[in-house]
Amino acid sequence: KNEVEQSPQNLTAQEGEFITINCSYSVGISALHWLQQHPGGGIVSLFMLSSGKKKHGRLIATINIQEKHSSLHITASHPRDSAVYICAVVFSGTYKYIFGTGTRLKVLA
Amino acid sequence: DTAVSQTPKYLVTQMGNDKSIKCEQNLGHDTMYWYKQDSKKFLKIMFSYNNKELIINETVPNRFSPKSPDKAHLNLHINSLELGDSAVYFCASSQAGSSTDTQYFGPGTRLTVL
Repeated sequence: KNEVEQSPQNLTAQEGEFITINCSYSVGISALHWLQQHPGGGIVSLFMLSSGKKKHGRLIATINIQEKHSSLHITASHPRDSAVYICAVVFSGTYKYIFGTGTRLKVLA
Repeated sequence: DTAVSQTPKYLVTQMGNDKSIKCEQNLGHDTMYWYKQDSKKFLKIMFSYNNKELIINETVPNRFSPKSPDKAHLNLHINSLELGDSAVYFCASSQAGSSTDTQYFGPGTRLTVL
C-alpha cells in the first residue's frame, strides 16, 4: 500500500463540470504539494499546503490535517485542464517527498 | 529565459554505457533535486542538494552519482546503464529546501536504454 493514495485514478468530465481529486496519506506531514503534469510531460507546482485552503483562479486546494486528507477542486473545468494531477507529501521530521500515483483528468469539450 | 533547464531532452544509449544529464537553474535557488518517473508515471525523489551539499539520498544504486559544481547546477551521472534505468528524469529547484517551498521543475530528460 502506497503511503500516499489518490482517487480517482482516472476521471473524465464534461467542460464546465466541478471536479474534485482526493489525496490521503498515512502519517503526520509538514507539507503537501499539488502538481500538474501536462500531456507533454512538463510538471508545474500548483499549491503548497500545510493547513487550511488556498485558491488560485479556478483551482482550490484544501487540507484537513486531522483526517490526513487533501482535495483539489477545479471549478468550471475546461479541456485545457486535462492533465495528470499529482499529490506529494513531506513527512514530518524528514525531507522525504512521497508522491501519489496521480489522477489522470480528461475534460471533454 | 527558462528557469530550470535540462540537457539533453532525449537520450538513447546502449546497456553498459556511462551517461550524464545536466541541470541548470537561473532562479538563484539554494536547493536542487533529481526525480525519476518510471513507465507507470510514478515519481520518486532520488537526490537533493542544498548549497552544493547532499541532503537527500534515497535508496538509489550507487551507479547514480549527482554532482553539484555550484548551487546553480546539479548534474546526474549514471554508470553502467541498465534497462531498468529507462525513465524520464526531472530536475527541480526550490528557494531554500524547506518542505513548504514551491519547487520548479525542468522539462525532463527521457532516457532510453537499449
